[in-house]
Amino acid sequence: EAQVTQNPRYLITVTGKKLTVTCSQNMNHEYMSWYRQDPGLGLRQIYYSMNVEVTDKGDVPEGYKVSRKEKRNFPLILESPSPNQTSLYFCASSLGDSSYNEQFFGPGTRLTVL
Amino acid sequence: RKEVEQDPGPFNVPEGATVAFNCTYSNSASQSFFWYRQDCRKEPKLLMSVYSSGNEDGRFTAQLNRASQYISLLIRDSKLSDSATYLCVVIRFSGGYNKLIFGAGTRLAVHP
Repeated sequence: EAQVTQNPRYLITVTGKKLTVTCSQNMNHEYMSWYRQDPGLGLRQIYYSMNVEVTDKGDVPEGYKVSRKEKRNFPLILESPSPNQTSLYFCASSLGDSSYNEQFFGPGTRLTVL
Repeated sequence: RKEVEQDPGPFNVPEGATVAFNCTYSNSASQSFFWYRQDCRKEPKLLMSVYSSGNEDGRFTAQLNRASQYISLLIRDSKLSDSATYLCVVIRFSGGYNKLIFGAGTRLAVHP
């Protein structure tokens, strides 16, 4: 089944404790991205990747890191989480960054930072 | 002001009703337009693309008005299963790639 998977789905952590949210897709998509969704703000892009070893900042990259060592995986790293990073996070992938490509989203990771 | 604006709702309608949502965008360089559907606590999924000529998919009709910079979604004969949040998505070329900008969503609740 074609899908985007994320782990963990739920995470409660404390300020400053490094964490990684994994994202994997099995559709051989080149383009992957991370979003956070907060009430009233919609989805905002954190980082994106056009292909292996090619990543760039989105609209809200502060406090996050990513890597793209393999085509299928795009982990999101929070080196020192803070309470303002409490949010719902979605990973997404698409064939490429053409303006007509459908985005496929993972199921989401609900993160709470205390 | 947000680049993509939607009425947050909620729109509470009875089954069988027709309901319409609008979405406005501020950047005239926007190229492509979509409606995504997001069920409660779930991931967004593509509902339909929006073309200048308008397009229809069953009970759903999407239209684009470039002059006034808005897109619309019309749902006819609403079903209980249509209850969800509808996200307006606009794509424009920025910084060397096609950037997706999401509206905050319009919530629809269909009741018996």
